[in-house]
This record gives sequence, C-alpha cells and structure tokens, in this order.
Amino acid sequence: SQQGEEDPQALSIQEGENATMNCSYKTSINNLQWYRQNSGRGLVHLILIRSNEREKHSGRLRVTLDTSKKSSSLLITASRAADTASYFCATKGVQGAQKLVFGQGTRLTINP
Amino acid sequence: EPEVTQTPSHQVTQMGQEVILRCVPISNHLYFYWYRQILGQKVEFLVSFYNNEISEKSEIFDDQFSVERPDGSNFTLKIRSTKLEDSAMYFCASNQDRSTGELFFGEGSRLTVL
Repeated sequence: SQQGEEDPQALSIQEGENATMNCSYKTSINNLQWYRQNSGRGLVHLILIRSNEREKHSGRLRVTLDTSKKSSSLLITASRAADTASYFCATKGVQGAQKLVFGQGTRLTINP
Repeated sequence: EPEVTQTPSHQVTQMGQEVILRCVPISNHLYFYWYRQILGQKVEFLVSFYNNEISEKSEIFDDQFSVERPDGSNFTLKIRSTKLEDSAMYFCASNQDRSTGELFFGEGSRLTVL
C-alpha cells in the first residue's frame, strides 16, 4: 500500500511548546499533504509539499519531506489550546493518481 | 468562502436498507471524491469521479456502492443494502485541479447501521 505509519499516535504537550508529528510512506509520491480534523468534523487542508521540495512553511507550521527516507514531519510552533485536533498526513501518488492516501493520524492535545 | 456541503449530517438505518448520502461540491470544482472514516480509524478512499464517470475506486467500493451526479450540483453516494460494518463517517471532497491534489472536504455524514 502507499501509506505507512504516523507517530506518535497521540501527543500531549503544554501550551506554548512545539509539537512534532511524523509520517512515513511506502511508495513514490507526487506530493504529501497535512490535514487537520477537529473531533467529529471534516478534514481541513493545512499544507502541501511537493516531492521536489524539502521544507515548507506556513505561519506556525513547518513541514519537511525526505524522499530518500520516505518520511515527513509537521512541526507546530508555539502551540495553542485551539491546535488540539487530529493531524493526518496524506500522499498523492504518481502516474496520474487522483486519490489521497491517509495515514493513521496523530491525536494532539494542547494543555492550557 | 465556498464550501462542500453534505446531507444528512447523521442517518440511522436498519441493516439491509438503502442509503443515499448527498454532497454539493464547490461549484467550479471538477473532481469529486468519497472517503469514509470508521470511528477512531484512518480516513479511507472510496471513489473518485470526474467527467461523469468513476475514475478510480478502492476495494471497499464494491457492487453495493454507487455514485452519481444527477444534476449540475449534487454528487451522491448510494449504499444499496447496508451492513453493520458500513457504519462510519462518510466524507465528500472536491478539487479543481487534479495535479495539485489539495482536497476540500465537507463536514461529513455519520451513518449508523443497526
């Protein structure tokens, strides 16, 4: 399958700390995306990194991609209680594939 | 801001009944998707739809499932004879540009099969 694991499965930190989540995948990709899901809600796109990019920033988000290791990380700096949610990585394959393949997700809890 | 809307938000049905979940994608989007998420598990791809036909589907999307775009705005997922294991959150998504792949998701329809 295209997707692998995310770790940790759950992460609990204090407000103001940085949160790092990791994602691994198995096959060649066109791009990798991170989504956020509040409990019981839909997924919201956060950031996309293409296979030829190594790092990308968006506000308090920083994403890295290592295609040699088939892994990505999402860093949220200066976390806030409102960042509490599940975070999923999703990969888009090559060869015209349209679908995104999602990881298991990391449940992030920010304690005030 | 344009959004994907889904109805119903929650549907409870008896095993063996037919269910239709409805979605209104963002108006200028061309690619449409259904995903599902069993409680506490990952989001799983079901089907993608473009130019009035299925372009890709997963093993989950068997003969019990069908999709349709009956008019210019709605995109529906039908489950012909529901099973207990169909209980899940079903998400509709759409995008304009297949090459980028960023998806816009609806809030989901929770299906409970009793």
